[in-house]
Amino acid sequence: DAKTTQPPSMDCAEGRAANLPCNHSTISGNEYVYWYRQIHSQGPQYIIHGLKNNETNEMASLIITEDRKSSTLILPHATLRDTAVYYCIVRAYNSGGSNYKLTFGKGTLLTVNP
Amino acid sequence: KAGVTQTPRYLIKTRGQQVTLSCSPISGHRSVSWYQQTPGQGLQFLFEYFSETQRNKGNFPGRFSGRQFSNSRSEMNVSTLELGDSALYLCASNIVAGVTEQYFGPGTRLTVT
Repeated sequence: DAKTTQPPSMDCAEGRAANLPCNHSTISGNEYVYWYRQIHSQGPQYIIHGLKNNETNEMASLIITEDRKSSTLILPHATLRDTAVYYCIVRAYNSGGSNYKLTFGKGTLLTVNP
Repeated sequence: KAGVTQTPRYLIKTRGQQVTLSCSPISGHRSVSWYQQTPGQGLQFLFEYFSETQRNKGNFPGRFSGRQFSNSRSEMNVSTLELGDSALYLCASNIVAGVTEQYFGPGTRLTVT
């Protein structure tokens, strides 16, 4: 799985958009970009994933650059409850029913301030 | 639909003892993975089970083992506990398909004294 680079921490004002960057310059063609977050002392929570097109769901938007070497997770209106560590992970498509291992880096600690 | 459940939630053991942790995946999910989380090493993959077979294993000593039952429930066992095994142990499940997200349980907080 490709390696990812994220800033260790970011701050955001409540109600504003939080834009979390991730660099994955060695991503290969069959690897997807996944985002998870972990609120203190809880299990990680899936947010969104994408291959090359931008994706949006009820939680966030994922913007992937055309060359796929980087992506940005956008939380459109951050709340205090969005304070968490956000992990960007790249992982290949799996068709064989095995190898669902996720490789977590250090992630970005997003602090949403009132 | 119920989420991933893990028991017990908290556990205190003494060095040298062994411990068994349990994970019940979301109904219909056939793959179960285990992770260890410590402040120093972060989240590290332990192993993955699918159809009662270990499909993938992380870089942990043989004291860490696991198994999966026919109903997809999984257990992990740590023998001869060391102080460094104190951690949050997380279980995750997912439907077996190409592009899927994993759903994590709340974890078991193990403290070794």
